[in-house]
Amino acid sequence: DGGITQSPKYLFRKEGQNVTLSCEQNLNHDAMYWYRQDPGQGLRLIYYSQIVNDFQKGDIAEGYSVSREKKESFPLTVTSAQKNPTAFYLCATTIDGGPSYNEQFFGPGTRLTVL
Amino acid sequence: DAKTTQPTSMDCAEGRAANLPCNHSTISGNEYVYWYRQIHSQGPQYIIHGLKNNETNEMASLIITEDRKSSTLILPHATLRDTAVYYCIVRALLSGGGADGLTFGKGTHLIIQP
Repeated sequence: DGGITQSPKYLFRKEGQNVTLSCEQNLNHDAMYWYRQDPGQGLRLIYYSQIVNDFQKGDIAEGYSVSREKKESFPLTVTSAQKNPTAFYLCATTIDGGPSYNEQFFGPGTRLTVL
Repeated sequence: DAKTTQPTSMDCAEGRAANLPCNHSTISGNEYVYWYRQIHSQGPQYIIHGLKNNETNEMASLIITEDRKSSTLILPHATLRDTAVYYCIVRALLSGGGADGLTFGKGTHLIIQP
């Protein structure tokens, strides 16, 4: 919301196919994040990036990959190695990765269903 | 990061104050308390955060006990649009800085009744 675009809102894929989820932001924020949410659960961190060309694994990075070639974009690829990819995926940003807390802004999310 | 404990669900009448408790008995001295909420099928939204003093903004008030082991989020005049899952999060500041993401539990499902 408010400058973070995730598309599409709903995505369907066949089992065994890689799929890339888009996250674009025009907030000029440095840090970007990917979270996964399963039904009735909280959010779990997949990957995050504090600056361009750098990213770090979160708590559940296995089966996922990311890139950060541009400040505005942080695409997430769900690979065939991810055993349970069906979930709600949320992208977030913060102003920077400095020592002071910065509010995280979330996108509208992409609901991925693997058939 | 310290863990938090929240009730699974709560009801509140429209127009009344909604008080959402959170226990964080193992919180460290440099950990802040943050509150986010998530309306169904949307991304979470930041509400408020604090360290040890009570805080208020246009959305809510945050009351932190003196020993910092618990806190309460107060929505002063709840409306139907406040129905959401509310997450209480404590977060450590990394040495040397760095924003490594937030740890969300299951939160409290607040239902505002008409």
